[in-house]
Amino acid sequence: GENVEQHPSTLSVQEGDSAVIKCTYSDSASNYFPWYKQELGKGPQLIIDIRSNVGEKKDQRIAVTLNKTAKHFSLHITETQPEDSAVYFCAASRDAGGTSYGKLTFGQGTILTVHP
Amino acid sequence: DAGVIQSPRHEVTEMGQEVTLRCKPISGHNSLFWYRQTMMRGLELLIYFNNNVPIDDSGMPEDRFSAKMPNASFSTLKIQPSEPRDSAVYFCASSGGRRNSPLHFGNGTRLTVT
Repeated sequence: GENVEQHPSTLSVQEGDSAVIKCTYSDSASNYFPWYKQELGKGPQLIIDIRSNVGEKKDQRIAVTLNKTAKHFSLHITETQPEDSAVYFCAASRDAGGTSYGKLTFGQGTILTVHP
Repeated sequence: DAGVIQSPRHEVTEMGQEVTLRCKPISGHNSLFWYRQTMMRGLELLIYFNNNVPIDDSGMPEDRFSAKMPNASFSTLKIQPSEPRDSAVYFCASSGGRRNSPLHFGNGTRLTVT
């Protein structure tokens, strides 16, 4: 089955700096790669996703890049703010139609701390 | 939009007792997923439904776990009998079932089995 590795496990940055979180996956058939943000006591919240027919996607301060050949994808957050502090998870799935894309394999998570 | 609603938020029970976790998906969503989160294993999929029908239950750890979706607006995850190693946060998520329809997670039920 799919295996997703996520690095680093913790990341500490100063407000205004950029943060980068990297993930690798093992199943070359995976084609859907979402990123989730989880705050304390809450469920994961989707912040951005990318499909394998796209190399990069951007939404305001957040961007995701995908390298299918190397089987890795990354989350980039620019101009970080204290409210970006949370646990971030990458995930991968094989979208074979229907709802199969929801069968996600998650990375281990990255605790991001943004210091004011 | 009230989001995915899970109950209870916290459950503390003794080993051997039956536990039932409940989930109300977002209205109009036709796919429902149960995930479990632990420190050791992270987030892992237990089972998912499409149009109230279980599609994949390969993540259900043991026969002690069962899930039902009697209608489009309600699902349960039952553990009988519960064991201390079942202690975790259990999340329910729903989606519209269409391509590019993201998963929306509830805030979870924190289960503690003593």
